[in-house]
Amino acid sequence: EIVLTQSPATLSLSPGERATLSCRASQSVSSYLAWYQQKPGQAPRLLIYDASNRATGIPARFSGSGSGTDFTLTISSLEPEDFAVYYCQQRSNWPRSTFGGGTKVEIK
Amino acid sequence: EVQLVESGGGLVQPGGSLRLSCAASGFTFSSYSMNWVRQAPGKGLEWVSYISSSSSTIYYADSVKGRFTISRDNAKNSLYLQMNSLRDEDTAVYYCARSGYGDYVTYWGQGTLVTVSS
Repeated sequence: EIVLTQSPATLSLSPGERATLSCRASQSVSSYLAWYQQKPGQAPRLLIYDASNRATGIPARFSGSGSGTDFTLTISSLEPEDFAVYYCQQRSNWPRSTFGGGTKVEIK
Repeated sequence: EVQLVESGGGLVQPGGSLRLSCAASGFTFSSYSMNWVRQAPGKGLEWVSYISSSSSTIYYADSVKGRFTISRDNAKNSLYLQMNSLRDEDTAVYYCARSGYGDYVTYWGQGTLVTVSS
């Protein structure tokens, strides 16, 4: 099983600041990595797929980068609605898809 | 607008059974692969099962293989998950989810809570 480790577990930032979230895979997943946002009581929402492609309707302040084992989700300037939990997911060995443990972005 | 509405969750005793349903609308259901993904209370996400658009390809996570059965009825725009021999660790919110962009999950329902407890 490919294990995804997300860091930090919690990120405390203020609106307008830049957020940098990390996802590290236990083995190479090439570029088969996605990022999701989940707010309390809501279903997740796909933000980024194939490491760097924004999904339909996702604002340009969200960007993804990386390949192989190290990936980053960057939110260039946090809006109030961006405070949420973020998950990465790999589909390199589909159907053995796995998710990371999540990073909570909270208001400082 | 894509809509996925789950139903069928509830409280069930260990060893019991439950059938989840998902009603899809706003897209051509028969053209898309579908998934079930679950989330235990306060925990992360776990992919559970996948079914291709024609039902020709089906996959399960090891944790549910042999106990859960995924199916779909394209004429009724519906997805199902038959869950047997339920365990405490199956307690979770179960999401119906549509595949896209090459088998990522592009749309999610709001989820239905399954609680396995005596």
